[in-house]
Amino acid sequence: DSGVTQTPKHLITATGQRVTLRCSPRSGDLSVYWYQQSLDQGLQFLIQYYNGEERAKGNILERFSAQQFPDLHSELNLSSLELGDSALYFCASSVQTGEGSGNTIYFGEGSWLTVV
Amino acid sequence: AQSVTQLDSHVSVSEGTPVLLRCNYSSSYSPSLFWYVQHPNKGLQLLLKYTSAATLVKGINGFEAEFKKSETSFHLTKPSAHMSDAAEYFCVVSDQGGKLIFGQGTELSVKP
Repeated sequence: DSGVTQTPKHLITATGQRVTLRCSPRSGDLSVYWYQQSLDQGLQFLIQYYNGEERAKGNILERFSAQQFPDLHSELNLSSLELGDSALYFCASSVQTGEGSGNTIYFGEGSWLTVV
Repeated sequence: AQSVTQLDSHVSVSEGTPVLLRCNYSSSYSPSLFWYVQHPNKGLQLLLKYTSAATLVKGINGFEAEFKKSETSFHLTKPSAHMSDAAEYFCVVSDQGGKLIFGQGTELSVKP
């Protein structure tokens, strides 16, 4: 158990809908990361927050957004869902921002999203 | 830009035989390198990491990896495979901002 908690574990929704994925980082971790794992794209970095502020952005679609709350939990909002958004969405956390070497990032078990 | 290439998409070994999962990296500076493992329907677990200290890095479950700058490689090895090692393995490099860049993964099968 990494200490990173993600909910829901599985989600099935229809195209055009909106969903919210939730992540609680490990106790004491200030950085939260979101990754998407799909069969065709592999593991892709989406976005990073550090202590409530956006820190880095990756291949995140405009239909997707995220935020980190004062209690450090984070939510990933996915809207106008398309079939291609079906994927495993991972949240990860670390103590530091990640800059420099050696920052260890711990992953949750992921949220499986199926868009039908 | 940083990148990693996992040279094999699938590796199959017999239980009790050595494991070798190959990874080459590209980095414009001294990289931080990691190996993560993903068991079916599970999250990503850190096996080991290299951060410019010892070039031979020991990880969990008997795995180790050797950083070879001259070959830009970071291959993962284990002397004796166990059935429970069957999983997907990812070689990962960290960019200067700390983001993890994943390889495409190597699926390890272990035959009894």
